[in-house]
Amino acid sequence: DAKTTQPPSMDCAEGRAANLPCNHSTISGNEYVYWYRQIHSQGPQYIIHGLKNNETNEMASLIITEDRKSSTLILPHATLRDTAVYYCIVRSTSGTYKYIFGTGTRLKVLA
Amino acid sequence: NAGVTQTPKFQVLKTGQSMTLQCAQDMNHEYMSWYRQDPGMGLRLIHYSVGAGITDQGEVPNGYNVSRSTTEDFPLRLLSAAPSQTSVYFCASSYLSGNYNEQYFGPGTRLTVT
Repeated sequence: DAKTTQPPSMDCAEGRAANLPCNHSTISGNEYVYWYRQIHSQGPQYIIHGLKNNETNEMASLIITEDRKSSTLILPHATLRDTAVYYCIVRSTSGTYKYIFGTGTRLKVLA
Repeated sequence: NAGVTQTPKFQVLKTGQSMTLQCAQDMNHEYMSWYRQDPGMGLRLIHYSVGAGITDQGEVPNGYNVSRSTTEDFPLRLLSAAPSQTSVYFCASSYLSGNYNEQYFGPGTRLTVT
């Protein structure tokens, strides 16, 4: 299973874009990149995922580099409610199917 | 749909006691998993299952047993509770394959072992 590396913490001003990086240099061809967030002590919540193309939904955008070794989650207009821990995960669509969470990035949105 | 449900929400055990944490989902998901989260830490995978009758170990399986007799249920058994097992336990489920298989998480069980 590919491992991911994320910065432990980041700050972002309210209303500005939050760009959260993730390194997954050992990702293999059948592994998707997933992003989740965890607010306070709730269960993690799915945000977005992708294989090799950039993806966008109502919550965020996901930019995956051409070599797929890193990605960036973009929250276009961060609000105080986006303060959370964000996890980047790579998951295979065959084999073990395991989701392995890393330590994540603690994002603090500042008023 | 109720989604993923977990019981109990809170539990206090004495060292050496055993108990079962319940997890159920009504989305017909093949994949189910258990995580533990210690204070200030990320989630660590304990056990997972890719279907009824099939389970496998995750990152931290020692001290825990699982079984999967139905698609809906995936109980986690603590064999002999230890203070090191004090944690928040999350159950999750998802479809197994295909392009869209996000995990849905339950609300968690907060376990304290004294």
